[in-house]
Amino acid sequence: DAGITQSPRHKVTETGTPVTLRCHQTENHRYMYWYRQDPGHGLRLIHYSYGVKDTDKGEVSDGYSVSRSKTEDFLLTLESATSSQTSVYFCAISERGGRQPQHFGDGTRLSIL
Amino acid sequence: RKEVEQDPGPFNVPEGATVAFNCTYSNSASQSFFWYRQDCRKEPKLLMSVYSSGNEDGRFTAQLNRASQYISLLIRDSKLSDSATYLCVVPANTGNQFYFGTGTSLTVIP
Repeated sequence: DAGITQSPRHKVTETGTPVTLRCHQTENHRYMYWYRQDPGHGLRLIHYSYGVKDTDKGEVSDGYSVSRSKTEDFLLTLESATSSQTSVYFCAISERGGRQPQHFGDGTRLSIL
Repeated sequence: RKEVEQDPGPFNVPEGATVAFNCTYSNSASQSFFWYRQDCRKEPKLLMSVYSSGNEDGRFTAQLNRASQYISLLIRDSKLSDSATYLCVVPANTGNQFYFGTGTSLTVIP
């Protein structure tokens, strides 16, 4: 299995609080992605990174920010969590972007009360 | 039109049956395609990559039809352990992103 670790695995928090999810890889892959998965919507891209300090928005980026200060770490921050951000969040990595498949972390289950 | 479309199913098939799923895509320039399986409450796992006309791995065969812009996944001799959701994934034009279908649910019945 690809060396991808997401933390925390589960989190329950309250509306309005900041939340940071971490994705750590040991594969030295250039591309890293954050997705959310909700019933009826499938996987939707939040943000992705194509190198250190290089990030871009995805389909559902509002309310989220990201940072990538090292190749191995990609952080997803919810500045002020809302109940609509309750979801399962997956991190994925890819060596060459769309030309090779992604590999996913185990996911983070986030509940915003 | 969505970038990637799949029949959500569910497909309920008996053990030993052959089942096929189709996935249509809108970007005619796409060069690579991927099938993932996802078990309930788990992460998607890569099942198969398709870079040319098709690919085969044991009981699983993926076929690409560029003219009609669809890829299919064929599962022969279905096992109970094949029960999962199967996701079709196509890279975006930019080459950096991926488009995911919403998945096709398969249940193999004893």
